Amino acid sequence: DIVMTQSPDFLAVSLGERATINCKSSQSILSSSNNRNYLAWFQQKAGQPPKLLITWASTRESGVPDRFSGSGSGTDFTLTISSLQAEDVAVYYCQQCYSSPITFGPGTKVDIK
Amino acid sequence: EVQLVESGGGLVQPGGSLRLCCAVSGFTFDTYWINWVRQAPGKGLEWVANAREDGSNNNYVDSLRGRFTVSRDNAKNSLCLQMNSLRAEDTAVYYCGGGIGWYIRYWGRGALVTVSS
Repeated sequence: DIVMTQSPDFLAVSLGERATINCKSSQSILSSSNNRNYLAWFQQKAGQPPKLLITWASTRESGVPDRFSGSGSGTDFTLTISSLQAEDVAVYYCQQCYSSPITFGPGTKVDIK
Repeated sequence: EVQLVESGGGLVQPGGSLRLCCAVSGFTFDTYWINWVRQAPGKGLEWVANAREDGSNNNYVDSLRGRFTVSRDNAKNSLCLQMNSLRAEDTAVYYCGGGIGWYIRYWGRGALVTVSS
């Protein structure tokens, strides 16, 4: 199984400041056949189901604010919130869908400092 | 509007069985993979299983294979999860979710399963 790890576990950032979340996979999730990374980022607010933010490591879903961006390749990935807003308080998860079983990272809780 | 609605959750005794179902509307059901993802109280997300668009292939997390079984009915736009030999550690909110390929774009609100005597 591909193990996903995230850092930090918890992140407190001032409004308008940058938040950076790291995600690492235990093996490469870059496909040699299409040169795409099979990585997604989700946002989960309290009491709600997860919301898909980013696919293919860096492709924002329709309607997701452009302050959210994803980067990385192979085994190391980053989700950046360029200017944290109050509505971004949530837990963020990375997920690999390169191979079964699909696996999620443990989550990073983001709050306002 | 896309809707996924889980049903069948509730309280069950250890060793018992429960069947969850997910009713889908608002997208062409047989073009989407459908997944089950669970979340124990206060914990993270755990993928449970998924079913291919045409129902020809199901995948499971190894730890649940043999106890949990997914069945898909494209005629009824539904996916069900049969859960047997339930344990306390299966207590969780169970979400169904669908998407193109294995990306889970659409999610239900979840169904709570509590395994307790």
